Amino acid sequence: DAGVTQSPTHLIKTRGQQVTLRCSPKSGHDTVSWYQQALGQGPQFIFQYYEEEERQRGNFPDRFSGHQFPNYSSELNVNALLLGDSALYLCASSITWEGANVLTFGAGSRLTVL
Amino acid sequence: EDQVTQSPEALRLQEGESSSLNCSYTVSGLRGLFWYRQDPGKGPEFLFTLYSAGEEKEKERLKATLTKKESFLHITAPKPEDSATYLCAVFFIYAGKSTFGDGTTLTVKP
Repeated sequence: DAGVTQSPTHLIKTRGQQVTLRCSPKSGHDTVSWYQQALGQGPQFIFQYYEEEERQRGNFPDRFSGHQFPNYSSELNVNALLLGDSALYLCASSITWEGANVLTFGAGSRLTVL
Repeated sequence: EDQVTQSPEALRLQEGESSSLNCSYTVSGLRGLFWYRQDPGKGPEFLFTLYSAGEEKEKERLKATLTKKESFLHITAPKPEDSATYLCAVFFIYAGKSTFGDGTTLTVKP
């Protein structure tokens, strides 16, 4: 049973560019959450998608946007990249969006902004 | 704002030397507290969920406990393969999401 898969695993961008990260949730999960993890810090919640709608959002600017597709997969888009956007971007899926659910994480996409 | 604090930031142990990691939170209304393990270059991996004060969970050399304002992850006779960053996440009733601490990086020397 495949867990959460993310792509690409690593990417390098320059300031001002745009990036799209992709995530396929674990089989049986319908909710996808995105987290940003800077070096030496814990994951910071970006947003959560359920039934193709954004259900929750953390303290991130509008440059961060997302999408969920009918097959539950999801994309994270970041526009006008800044040096401070360099981080590990983690996708996590769960069995539903309500309540305290266990998150299953992917291995992440390591973004470096130069 | 919801606060989750983990201590210590880093912990170095000799193989077999037992110790505890702490996770404390400042806002009431906890719905669940989670412990995850994260190895370098990988995503966090679920270990335990605790829902109410007094609850305990065990898995191999790890035991998690919960009080009203904090949780402990006890590591008994650790081995080098227990070396990792241990993350605590708290799900608050009104937040609708899990808030993570910054983790404790554990190094176990043989």
